[in-house]
Amino acid sequence: GENVEQHPSTLSVQEGDSAVIKCTYSDSASNYFPWYKQELGKRPQLIIDIRSNVGEKKDQRIAVTLNKTAKHFSLHITETQPEDSAVYFCAAREGTGFQKLVFGTGTRLLVSP
Amino acid sequence: DSGVTQTPKHLITATGQRVTLRCSPRSGDLSVYWYQQSLDQGLQFLIHYYNGEERAKGNILERFSAQQFPDLHSELNLSSLELGDSALYFCASSVGVRTPTDTQYFGPGTRLTVL
Repeated sequence: GENVEQHPSTLSVQEGDSAVIKCTYSDSASNYFPWYKQELGKRPQLIIDIRSNVGEKKDQRIAVTLNKTAKHFSLHITETQPEDSAVYFCAAREGTGFQKLVFGTGTRLLVSP
Repeated sequence: DSGVTQTPKHLITATGQRVTLRCSPRSGDLSVYWYQQSLDQGLQFLIHYYNGEERAKGNILERFSAQQFPDLHSELNLSSLELGDSALYFCASSVGVRTPTDTQYFGPGTRLTVL
């Protein structure tokens, strides 16, 4: 089955810096990679996702890149702000919506003013 | 607000007891997923229901069971509770279609504390 590894487990940056979180997956058949943001005590919220037929996707200050050959994908946050502080989870899924999402272990991002 | 609702928000109970957590999916969503998140841990997939039928099981203990009713709401039953069952329990819902981009939307969670 699919296995997703996520690094780093914690990341501290200064406001305005960029942050990069990396995930690797094991199943080459995986074709959908969402990223969720979870603030303390709250629900995970989808912030961006990418399909395996796309190499990069951007949404304002957030971008995700996918390298299918190396089986890794990354979340890039530019011009970080204190409100970006949260735990970020990557996930991977093989096949269709009937297949389960496998989540990474999470990255705690702290943006200091 | 994702449109997914969960009740209760908080639940405090004792070891050995049984509790029921409830989830109502977004309007139009047929799939419901349950996840467990222990303190400072990731999201552990428990079980997936689609239109009333169980579709996949994850690391769900035998003491735990779930069902999805005809109105598509779902309940997660936890019995013979142990201290280690204390966690946040999330449900998520999705349309549940045969496409890769079937997005899961999470509810606000139920925080279970077992004393």
